[in-house]
Amino acid sequence: NAGVIQTPRHKVTGKGQEATLWCEPISGHSAVFWYRQTIVQGLEFLTYFRNQAPIDDSGMPKERFSAQMPNQSHSTLKIQSTQPQDSAVYLCASSLRDWGVQNTLYFGAGTRLSVL
Amino acid sequence: SQWGEENLQALSIQEGEDVTMNCSYKTYTTVVHWYRQDSGRGPALIILIRSNEREKRSGRLRATLDTSSQSSSLSITAAQCEDTAVYFCATDGTQVVGQLTFGRGTRLQVYA
Repeated sequence: NAGVIQTPRHKVTGKGQEATLWCEPISGHSAVFWYRQTIVQGLEFLTYFRNQAPIDDSGMPKERFSAQMPNQSHSTLKIQSTQPQDSAVYLCASSLRDWGVQNTLYFGAGTRLSVL
Repeated sequence: SQWGEENLQALSIQEGEDVTMNCSYKTYTTVVHWYRQDSGRGPALIILIRSNEREKRSGRLRATLDTSSQSSSLSITAAQCEDTAVYFCATDGTQVVGQLTFGRGTRLQVYA
């Protein structure tokens, strides 16, 4: 089991460009989560899917951010027209179930996004 | 909304010492997770304590939970250099299934 795989590990974009981040969850896990981590804000919840269906995107900035999970083996987070304030480490996590004590998050190593 | 917050943000101790990190939260939680994050890696669960438990042990780790004061603590006995990491508490809630809310974290440095 390779764990949660995130690609790329590092991404540098120019202001206004698009960034797509990829996540491959652990096989058999029903829930996939996206978090953003910065020094100032810490770990912030963005969105999550259960069995590929979007459940809660309350943490997503309404403009420019979107997430999809087209199949059970990967999810993407897309940021359009990136801004310097989008610079952060984006973490993907999966869990066996999305409630109770089985809601243990297994995180990937993250994608460090730098917007110049 | 629910949140978790560690009271101390940075700790530096010598190898062999014991250390305790605290976490307080504002709303009911069914379980408190403690994660550690090593440099360049994502957080990883190290211990989990349920709302009906007051104490949980795992090796040199001890977590406590006081639901009346809505606080939890993580203690490490005889810390070692490899315990150097950032430690987070995370709480779930009954209102929003799935989402864990993480505290700001405590950076622990253990030196030889």
